[in-house]
Amino acid sequence: EVQLVESGGGLVQPGGSLRLSCAASGFTFSSYWMNWVRQAPGKGLEWVANIKQDGSDKYYVDSVKGRFTISRDNAKNSLYLQMNSLRAEETAVYYCARGSQGAVDIWGQGTMVTVSS
Amino acid sequence: QSALTQPASVSGSPGQSITISCTGTSSDVGGYNSVSWYQQHPGKAPKLMIYEVSNRPSGVSNRFSGSKSGNTASLTISGLQAEDEADYYCGSYTSNSTPWVFGTGTKVTVL
Repeated sequence: EVQLVESGGGLVQPGGSLRLSCAASGFTFSSYWMNWVRQAPGKGLEWVANIKQDGSDKYYVDSVKGRFTISRDNAKNSLYLQMNSLRAEETAVYYCARGSQGAVDIWGQGTMVTVSS
Repeated sequence: QSALTQPASVSGSPGQSITISCTGTSSDVGGYNSVSWYQQHPGKAPKLMIYEVSNRPSGVSNRFSGSKSGNTASLTISGLQAEDEADYYCGSYTSNSTPWVFGTGTKVTVL
């Protein structure tokens, strides 16, 4: 079964840091672009970042550039998102998602990140 | 990068057809055949319903269809069923500084 499982969410103070992880299974992880997408409570989807199969190319939404870092470990079938200098408005469910054929075709169940004092 | 524009809500009766629009620019929807559509039920992760404008992934009902004209893409749900009640989002590549953008989302209500 193709599956993505996120972990690492939780409560963090404004200005703090958090590292999200995503464990992939059921497919050849190293063959796909991977994405992070977030959704604030009651709001729409926002694409956050993606990374090429070999990690050589990475892209970010403007609002997180310089603060968030996406990375992957193909040997461990894992995707990561290091989030620094977090802001209250970044409280959201963060989804790990696979990219394929110009779309995001497989989604994890999400991990909640709450930025609050 | 601004989100693609969708109507906030669309409704229809069981058995009817509805269409959701997704309006962008020549830098995103109009410039690529990578428009996709996602269904999201409350408290659940999104599910891919359409990719590359009009293709359905395996397992998605043929009641869902997609199209594009110029800078506007559309998702049509025919034979509307109660289980179709959900939020729907479009998505597209863009040539802007952020390479991917989602739509604002549409809540579909089955009357």
